[in-house]
Amino acid sequence: GAVVSQHPSRVICKSGTSVKIECRSLDFQATTMFWYRQFPKQSLMLMATSNEGSKATYEQGVEKDKFLINHASLTLSTLTVTSAHPEDSSFYICSARTNRPTAKNIQYFGAGTRLSVL
Amino acid sequence: GQSLEQPSEVTAVEGAIVQINCTYQTSGFYGLSWYQQHDGGAPTFLSYNGLDGLEETGRFSSFLSRSDSYGYLLLQELQMKDSASYFCAVSVSSGSARQLTFGSGTQLTVLP
Repeated sequence: GAVVSQHPSRVICKSGTSVKIECRSLDFQATTMFWYRQFPKQSLMLMATSNEGSKATYEQGVEKDKFLINHASLTLSTLTVTSAHPEDSSFYICSARTNRPTAKNIQYFGAGTRLSVL
Repeated sequence: GQSLEQPSEVTAVEGAIVQINCTYQTSGFYGLSWYQQHDGGAPTFLSYNGLDGLEETGRFSSFLSRSDSYGYLLLQELQMKDSASYFCAVSVSSGSARQLTFGSGTQLTVLP
């Protein structure tokens, strides 16, 4: 199956700093990537849909100035949590879809980034 | 908007069969997917149903009834390693992208 690499796996930072998370599709091109947030024992909540070469589409309630998404190439999307605060502490997961006809309905997930803001 | 309902917890013993149900309400429905997630790990794709009926992949099968807005995941010959959270997710069309909306997850515990 397709591989999505997410880095870093864990970040601990001070309140007020910015954190960048990278999501790469390793063996396929992903015109669309998705960013999710997951709190302990809860479901994955879609934050935004990232489209290569265009602005991301944010879900209702997600601050686009707080969570900056850049999808500069067909294999890389980044999420920057700006001026992070303790309430931003969470598990952030990216996913990507391929354009392969046999896998168009599958999202491949990165391993996630656990962010802890002190 | 979309809403999905699935049981929060299921417990079964090794070797048994377990069925996890999922009902949904959504517009722009394409299909129903199932993902497995172990604690602290990434969700991994298990199965997808775009049409009514049963899809079988090894020990796992998934079923969809579009008219009933209902599906289920069937796990056979349960193993300890199957202990995980299982999420149903609906594929919906949003603009140019096909998004997933996840259910709240079912925590499966497999006992020896």
